[in-house]
Amino acid sequence: KQEVTQIPAALSVPEGENLVLNCSFTDSAIYNLQWFRQDPGKGLTSLLLIQSSQREQTSGRLNASLDKSSGRSTLYIAASQPGDSATYLCAVNTDYKLSFGAGTTVTVRA
Amino acid sequence: GAVVSQHPSWVICKSGTSVKIECRSLDFQATTMFWYRQFPKQSLMLMATSNEGSKATYEQGVEKDKFLINHASLTLSTLTVTSAHPEDSSFYICSARETTNYGYTFGSGTRLTVV
Repeated sequence: KQEVTQIPAALSVPEGENLVLNCSFTDSAIYNLQWFRQDPGKGLTSLLLIQSSQREQTSGRLNASLDKSSGRSTLYIAASQPGDSATYLCAVNTDYKLSFGAGTTVTVRA
Repeated sequence: GAVVSQHPSWVICKSGTSVKIECRSLDFQATTMFWYRQFPKQSLMLMATSNEGSKATYEQGVEKDKFLINHASLTLSTLTVTSAHPEDSSFYICSARETTNYGYTFGSGTRLTVV
């Protein structure tokens, strides 16, 4: 069974600081890994999708890396803004089912 | 990009009644959709996989007679919570898998409160 862990569980930073969110998983036989953002009481918004053959993906201020052999992914958010405050979820696709981490709740202070 | 529409966004119902939640893929066909449940401050728990034209596959511990899933077309899946009780109160979210890159798109979720 795929186990996904996200560290830290919560993070509070001043505006402008870079964010580093970590995700680890136990089974390296994955199809892809996806990072999502969830605002309170809302659904999930996809941020980045990394296929198993890729090492990283970038979109604007976001960059996600994937090291499949060691079971790790990292999401970097550059120059954080108060609007980045949300919960970030890492989801690993194994056998076409997603396994989620518990999330990292980020607060960016103005 | 792919869009999944989920309705209603919130619903309050009396104990013992049934509630239907709809999940639609708006600009792509989804042969497979997924239903999740999320408790406060917890991550998503997969309840079932909905397959177009066939029976849904339920995860261990999920009562298939309580959570009825119908996937009658390539763009619509429904979840019906039957004989709802207060312990069924939760946040339910659906998702669909894109066939182009095998990424997942999620609906906006439904907050169910059973009183």
